[in-house]
Amino acid sequence: EADIYQTPRYLVIGTGKKITLECSQTMGHDKMYWYQQDPGMELHLIHYSYGVNSTEKGDLSSESTVSRIRTEHFPLTLESARPSHTSQYLCASSEPSGRAYNEQFFGPGTRLTVL
Amino acid sequence: AQKITQTQPGMFVQEKEAVTLDCTYDTSDQSYGLFWYKQPSSGEMIFLIYQGSYDEQNATEGRYSLNFQKARKSANLVISASQLGDSAMYFCAMRGRGISSGSARQLTFGSGTQLTVLP
Repeated sequence: EADIYQTPRYLVIGTGKKITLECSQTMGHDKMYWYQQDPGMELHLIHYSYGVNSTEKGDLSSESTVSRIRTEHFPLTLESARPSHTSQYLCASSEPSGRAYNEQFFGPGTRLTVL
Repeated sequence: AQKITQTQPGMFVQEKEAVTLDCTYDTSDQSYGLFWYKQPSSGEMIFLIYQGSYDEQNATEGRYSLNFQKARKSANLVISASQLGDSAMYFCAMRGRGISSGSARQLTFGSGTQLTVLP
């Protein structure tokens, strides 16, 4: 069982608020990812990190930002939430290269609703 | 660029019967990996099975098997002896190792298939 955690699980917030979605993993994985998923739709990568102080934007453009100050922690921040940000946000991590494949372990997700 | 296509938005299967969920992919990478994930209504993504592009045998994990046809670029998931707990959304995903996958070697997901197991 994967040890990757996300908080909060559910968040309902008003427009204009600043929010931070937390993601932590205890597996020592270097690579971490944030995906955005609208209900019943596929996952889209919005941010990823190869390690501490490394962050990159994914395929899907997002107004959110991320930071990676510690290996185990990869928070995502929205400076001013808008209704268009309503979605599920999934955090994942994977082991360093060298394995035949790098399975991504997913957290339980945060369901964000912006009113 | 990589692309995953799942053409079945929804599938129904009778309990204890087998079901096949379709997945086709497109990539210019020579080396790549194919994954299937299960997403229950609770939202988490559960890894089910992996198939490497150079694996000679189809992958199997318990009741899950992957019908890999490289020439057709298909990687269908077969679930044998369906159980009520198998009702969920199923996603096919791919990660390449070449230029088309990008430096992140990220997963590209299909749109998913909602499987409902009937009692």
